[in-house]
Amino acid sequence: AQSVAQPEDQVNVAEGNPLTVKCTYSVSGNPYLFWYVQYPNRGLQFLLKYITGDNLVKGSYGFEAEFNKSQTSFHLKKPSALVSDSALYFCAVRVLYNFNKFYFGSGTKLNVKP
Amino acid sequence: GAVVSQHPSRVICKSGTSVKIECRSLDFQATTMFWYRQFPKKSLMLMATSNEGSKATYEQGVEKDKFLINHASLTLSTLTVTSAHPEDSSFYICSAWNATSGISRGQFFGPGTRLTVL
Repeated sequence: AQSVAQPEDQVNVAEGNPLTVKCTYSVSGNPYLFWYVQYPNRGLQFLLKYITGDNLVKGSYGFEAEFNKSQTSFHLKKPSALVSDSALYFCAVRVLYNFNKFYFGSGTKLNVKP
Repeated sequence: GAVVSQHPSRVICKSGTSVKIECRSLDFQATTMFWYRQFPKKSLMLMATSNEGSKATYEQGVEKDKFLINHASLTLSTLTVTSAHPEDSSFYICSAWNATSGISRGQFFGPGTRLTVL
């Protein structure tokens, strides 16, 4: 079965500090991994994805994520957090052989304090 | 490009009534759309895969007769919550798969519909 785990319900960080939001996955075959952000009462916005190639993926708004096959992880990172980064972040895996379904992690609430 | 809309954005209904939510791909055709349900401060739960011209496939535990899905055209899928109850209150999000090549290829999400059943 395909699954994604986000071990932290909430991450608190001070503005200007680096942030990390953790994600681990369990998939059959090569993983297609994604990060999305959600603001209150809004849909999901795409941040970045890993399909193949370079393990370090750069995405929108200065975010990046590192694919680590040995640790089955895909942690989201940003060198310097902004208060406006405060939102709900979801890691997801795409299942190619099953209608391209997406399965999401439980979400991590990021709080960036001034 | 690759915009997905949902209508309505917010709906309040009485218990026992049915509510229809529309999901449209505005600038691409989508043979496959997905419906998710999100509980407060919780993750998105995939409810069903909507396939144009055929029956939807439902995830385990999702009641087919409760959540009717119709994908009548390549740009429209509808989710009807039948005989709604307060426990159906939730945030419903759709997504559409854009299979065209190029930068717009991928899955795109609608803005969501907040359903409140009184």
